[in-house]
Amino acid sequence: ILNVEQSPQSLHVQEGDSTNFTCSFPSSNFYALHWYRWETAKSPEALFVMTLNGDEKKKGRISATLNTKEGYSYLYIKGSQPEDSATYLCAFFTSGTYKYIFGTGTRLKVLA
Amino acid sequence: SAVISQKPSRDICQRGTSLTIQCQVDSQVTMMFWYRQQPGQSLTLIATANQGSEATYESGFVIDKFPISRPNLTFSTLTVSNMSPEDSSIYLCSVEVRQSYNEQFFGPGTRLTVL
Repeated sequence: ILNVEQSPQSLHVQEGDSTNFTCSFPSSNFYALHWYRWETAKSPEALFVMTLNGDEKKKGRISATLNTKEGYSYLYIKGSQPEDSATYLCAFFTSGTYKYIFGTGTRLKVLA
Repeated sequence: SAVISQKPSRDICQRGTSLTIQCQVDSQVTMMFWYRQQPGQSLTLIATANQGSEATYESGFVIDKFPISRPNLTFSTLTVSNMSPEDSSIYLCSVEVRQSYNEQFFGPGTRLTVL
């Protein structure tokens, strides 16, 4: 059974703090790793699609890195703001089955 | 990209009843997906709905419990039948964009509570 783990499960930070979370996934049959941001009562929103070992992607204050050989990706948020409060999901897309396997998410709360 | 709407956004239902969730996409898509997120769990794929053919169910999900309709290329429904409290979840529909490594666009979800 393929498993995708995210840590921590939840996180509270102060406004202005920088933070990061981890997504661990199987290192075999890698096709792509997706990060999504999911605010309550809204649609999950795609942040990054990462496909190559060593990929680094950035969107504003949010960035992500990818290590396919060891099977992990980091998501970084610099200078957290209250509007960053959401659940951050990673999804591993496997070339074996061509299906998504989601992690349980990291729930971030940024305190003003 | 795609814009997806779902109805209802939330519902509270009694054990033994059924609920049908609707999913509408603003463009024609071949495949639509139905996911479930139980409390504390990851998003889990229930089934893939193709227009003009029966839905393909993942292991652990059966058509009698989760019948799906796909009458055209922009619409699908998922029914949660004979509900029990274990069916309390968020149900999401999605479509994928193959040109972007299968990036998925999701609806806002239906939050279901079964008493």
